[in-house]
Amino acid sequence: AQSVSQHNHHVILSEAASLELGCNYSYGGTVNLFWYVQYPGQHLQLLLKYFSGDPLVKGIKGFEAEFIKSKFSFNLRKPSVQWSDTAEYFCAVTLSGGYQKVTFGTGTKLQVIP
Amino acid sequence: GAGVSQSPRYKVTKRGQDVALRCDPISGHVSLYWYRQALGQGPEFLTYFNYEAQQDKSGLPNDRFSAERPEGSISTLTIQRTEQRDSAMYRCASSSREYNEQFFGPGTRLTVL
Repeated sequence: AQSVSQHNHHVILSEAASLELGCNYSYGGTVNLFWYVQYPGQHLQLLLKYFSGDPLVKGIKGFEAEFIKSKFSFNLRKPSVQWSDTAEYFCAVTLSGGYQKVTFGTGTKLQVIP
Repeated sequence: GAGVSQSPRYKVTKRGQDVALRCDPISGHVSLYWYRQALGQGPEFLTYFNYEAQQDKSGLPNDRFSAERPEGSISTLTIQRTEQRDSAMYRCASSSREYNEQFFGPGTRLTVL
């Protein structure tokens, strides 16, 4: 069964620091990859996604992620975080092609200190 | 247009009672998903509908859980004879099939006393 690992459960950064959140998945087939974010008191929303093409994808609010197939990774990055980035971040994967159920990681809580 | 809506947002019930959680997907979205999220965990898949057909219910934990989407739009997740371990956030998502991107609702926080 496919699985998603997020190595950092809780990350604390100062404003303007750079961010990288790790995500690894275990499946050898063709996958679609997502990062979702949940701001305090809000519901899950899509940050960015990878289906095919350029492995470096850009999302909203200055976030980007790089798909490295050989490493089964899809790490999330942001060069300079802001206090408003405080949230919980979830990596998710589906198999490509039509319906496939989404498997989520356990999430990483990011706290940005002003 | 409007996003995915869920009701109620909060539900407190006593052990042994039945509960029904409602999901209203984005208009035109043919696919609908239910997830359960325990504290400190990511969402866990429960079941999936394509139009009114329940295509995958492999994530439903036991036969106390059921879901329906009779007209291919609104869906109801029912939990019978609730137990304390059923306490969690229940999330619904919908997608336009061709894009495979899921849009989530705000969730229903279920607490079983």
